[in-house]
Amino acid sequence: EAAVTQSPRNKVTVTGGNVTLSCRQTNSHNYMYWYRQDTGHGLRLIHYSYGAGNLQIGDVPDGYKATRTTQEDFFLLLELASPSQTSLYFCASSDPDISYEQYFGPGTRLTVL
Amino acid sequence: QQQVRQSSQSLTVWEGETAILNCSYENSAFDYFPWYQQFPGEGPALLIAIRSVSDKKEDGRFTIFFNKREKNLSLHIKDSQPGDSATYFCAATSSGSWQLIFGSGTQLTVMP
Repeated sequence: EAAVTQSPRNKVTVTGGNVTLSCRQTNSHNYMYWYRQDTGHGLRLIHYSYGAGNLQIGDVPDGYKATRTTQEDFFLLLELASPSQTSLYFCASSDPDISYEQYFGPGTRLTVL
Repeated sequence: QQQVRQSSQSLTVWEGETAILNCSYENSAFDYFPWYQQFPGEGPALLIAIRSVSDKKEDGRFTIFFNKREKNLSLHIKDSQPGDSATYFCAATSSGSWQLIFGSGTQLTVMP
């Protein structure tokens, strides 16, 4: 069973649109992360959380909000989407007290027209 | 400023050759270096990792060579197969940290 799932897998919206990307993990991990992947930039951290109700800013947070409602669920919100946010988005989870390994979801491809 | 740098965005080798993917880093505090493998349509997954106390880590056809003095490392894929075609990310972190710093990735193509 996939331990990190994301929805939707693909999303198209228009400039100024409102988008929510969802992530659920069943690893019982405390840390969860949102990354964006762009050619030439690799994986860049947007936001992360170390528990329900907690939110921390990553390296490229501008234009993004996030919310961690439970230990399992982490959401990424784009309230006024822009074409520069067209990207491949990954959610991941980990438990740094046990291992440095991060477990990634399958990704969401977002296109902002 | 890229803390973890992968020198090649893409690499093509023939089946049976050894593919060599290079990575360098800036921060002397980094002491754990994983490589992640990503197939199209999937998320990255841990392939192999090395700690800075070692200079070599081997797992089947995959070997990491690590040079602490030069702050670089390389992933060698022996007897490359078309199924090894993927994007490979070098990453780094330091003891007690939760954050992995990823390089920009190298897309490997193995030609049959």
